[in-house]
Order: sequence, then structure tokens, then C-alpha cells
Amino acid sequence: DVKVTQSSRYLVKRTGEKVFLECVQDMDHENMFWYRQDPGLGLRLIYFSYDVKMKEKGDIPEGYSVSREKKERFSLILESASTNQTSMYLCASTSLGGQGSYEQYFGPGTRLTVT
Amino acid sequence: AQSVTQLDSQVPVFEEAPVELRCNYSSSVSVYLFWYVQYPNQGLQLLLKYLSGSTLVKGINGFEAEFNKSQTSFHLRKPSVHISDTAEYFCAVSEPGGAQKLVFGQGTRLTINP
Repeated sequence: DVKVTQSSRYLVKRTGEKVFLECVQDMDHENMFWYRQDPGLGLRLIYFSYDVKMKEKGDIPEGYSVSREKKERFSLILESASTNQTSMYLCASTSLGGQGSYEQYFGPGTRLTVT
Repeated sequence: AQSVTQLDSQVPVFEEAPVELRCNYSSSVSVYLFWYVQYPNQGLQLLLKYLSGSTLVKGINGFEAEFNKSQTSFHLRKPSVHISDTAEYFCAVSEPGGAQKLVFGQGTRLTINP
């Protein structure tokens, strides 16, 4: 079974702090994604990566950055957390070919509260 | 640009009743279509996907969906729901090829009443 793990289920940070959210997948997937989920808005793509050290902005990249130094690990960074970044953050991965192509596998999510 | 509209934010139904969750999409190119489910306090998991071929797609847990290109719809159906189907359901669209990015709808919360 594909497994996508996220470093924390719940996180509380103060305004202005630098926040790191970590995601690890164990299926050698090429593509990895970070979404945020807000009630009534569904999931919105923040950033994605299609290879080590390669990244592209999604629909709402402002206030975020990412890092992918190893294929299995994709980190989301909030440079200076703000209250409007309080949300559920979901990581996902997918392979580029084969039977699992186009199926994104999701982690359990990190609920981040910024106070 | 692609977009997805889920027409109902909440759908309450009684156990063993049929249910339909509606999804419409907008795209200037051909699309792949997906339904994901999110059970309480969990991540999303794939219910079913349409990539090509038969427009009636069967998924896990007795769900199915029909791709209607002329109406740009991909509605999800189940003939008889169970309490365990209580969850949030997301419709999503992707453009063939490329990075396999998904654009999600707003979600529909399905509540099953005994």
C-alpha cells in the first residue's frame, strides 16, 4: 500500500513564526503536491513538484515556499505565519505512469492554527 | 482554465435510500474526472476516475459516476447508502498529460440518517 505521512496532525504556531510541514511518501512517486483545505472552498493547490529540486507554483503560492531535496520528501514552508494561514494542509503524491497514474495518494493532513 | 462546481454543499439522506451528488466542470480542453472521499479526520481517497472509454465508471464501495460530455457533468450515484458513507465528497478535474494537477470542487457533505 502507498503510504503518505505528514509530520504532525495538529500544530499551533504564533504569528510571525517560520513553520515547516513535512511530507514523506514511500512509493517512489515522481510528483508531489501541497494543498490547503478550507470549508466551502474545497482543496486549493499551493505548490507541486515533479522531480527533486523542481517545483512549480499552484493557484495560491503567496506566503509559502517548498523544498524537495530528496524524491520521497516534500516540505512546505510558511516563511512568516499569519492568522489567514490557519487551515488544513494536505500532501499528496502520484506516479507518472502505470496503473496508478492520475491517482493522487493523500496524507492524513496537518491542521495548523496560527494565533 | 478549468473549474469544478459541486451544486450541493450538503446532502442529507436516509439509510438505504439512493443518492446523487452533482458535479459540473468547465474546461476548454479534454479532461480526466475524479471523485474523492474524505472520511472524518482522514485524508482523501480515490472513489473512481474517468480517463477514457465507457462513460459509466464504477468505483469502490458501490459508487458509480457517469461522464456526460454534452452537459459537462460527472454526477456520483449510489443506489443504497449506509451510515458508513457519511463523509465529504470531492469532484476533481485534471488535464491529460503534464503534471497531473487536480482542480477540486467545493465539496459535498453527505449525511446519512438512520
